[in-house]
This record gives sequence, C-alpha cells and structure tokens, in this order.
Amino acid sequence: SAVISQKPSRDICQRGTSLTIQCQVDSQVTMMFWYRQQPGQSLTLIATANQGSEATYESGFVIDKFPISRPNLTFSTLTVSNMSPEDSSIYLCSVGRQGTNEKLFFGSGTQLSVL
Amino acid sequence: GEDVEQSLFLSVREGDSSVINCTYTDSSSTYLYWYKQEPGAGLQLLTYIFSNMDMKQDQRLTVLLNKKDKHLSLRIADTQTGDSAIYFCAISYSTGKLIFGQGTTLQVK
Repeated sequence: SAVISQKPSRDICQRGTSLTIQCQVDSQVTMMFWYRQQPGQSLTLIATANQGSEATYESGFVIDKFPISRPNLTFSTLTVSNMSPEDSSIYLCSVGRQGTNEKLFFGSGTQLSVL
Repeated sequence: GEDVEQSLFLSVREGDSSVINCTYTDSSSTYLYWYKQEPGAGLQLLTYIFSNMDMKQDQRLTVLLNKKDKHLSLRIADTQTGDSAIYFCAISYSTGKLIFGQGTTLQVK
C-alpha cells in the first residue's frame, strides 16, 4: 500500500482566512485527488490534481476557492480560501499508485473547523 | 447519473456475520471498493473487486458483485468489536474518480 502523509491533521481557523493542506506520498503516483467529507456525510470529490498543469475541478468546486498545486509526482497541496463555517469538514487526499484506478488509497485526513 | 446507495445502520452481535449492502446505478465502473472509517481517522482500503468478477474472498471478508442487479455486498465473518466503524462502498472509473455511498455504521454488540 502507499504511505500517505497529510498535514496538518487538524486545525481550527478563523472566518476569512485560508489554510493550505499538504499531501506527501512515499513514492511516485500518477493519480492524486482531493475529497471533502462534510460532518456526518459521505465523501465528495473536489478535484483531480494534475502534475504540472491545472487541476480538474468537479461541478460545484472552483479554483478560486480551492486552489491546488501538484509540482511533482509525490506531493500536492489544497488550499481552502476565504473560509467560512460551511467549510468545516474533513479534507482527504487519495492516490492511485499503479497508473490505473486499482487500489486507491487515502491519507488520514485533515479535520478543519472554521469559527 | 452516478448514484451509490447504502443502508445507514447495521447492528450485529459479536461472533455473528455482518452483511453490508450497496447498490449503484452506473454500470461503467471498473473497480468497486469497500473502505472502513473509524472515528477521527481517514479511510482504510479493506478490499476491492474488479467489475468482471463475481466474488472475492480475503480472510474474514467476502465481496459479492451482482452486475445484473448492480448490487455489491460485503460480508464480515465472525464480527468483532474492532469491526465497529463506518463502511463505505465506492465505485471507480478509469480516471480514478470515486463515487461513494453514504456509509453504513456497523455496531457490534
């Protein structure tokens, strides 16, 4: 399995500020994704992080609110911008190691609370 | 559209078998997954099945796939208290995108 490190594991932030979440993988992976899990809910895909190019966003998510970087095949960041209490969620990165969608692994998640 | 449905809650006695069910609408998925989420933790990949398979067994876990009915199930044999968690089924596409069910909370008494 892939070893995925996500930082921070949790944070409490003030309304209007931004938080950048990091996802580091122990080896090169072709697929990296960012998901959101709102309280008591299932997971929803925010975007696919593309190496060396702009991320591909799902309906309802925009780059200005959730800018994503992926400078190489082992690292990605997700920024939650201009936060409001509605952004309080768990944010998880997911990776696919083998260049296919077999075996998709998740990081431990970032628990974000916005006051 | 893409839709994945699960029952929300299951309660079993320790030592019994648990069966968690999942139905989906889109038949173009490639892999179907079961993830486990414990309180305050991320998602642990439990097992998965390729869409052209009917069954997969991995120790205490058995996955059954009925493609005709678009029905996926996870059976946990000899359920233990450590199995208490939320179980998510998810279907994936060649792009790697996952569509999740709502999650089933398994309570082991």
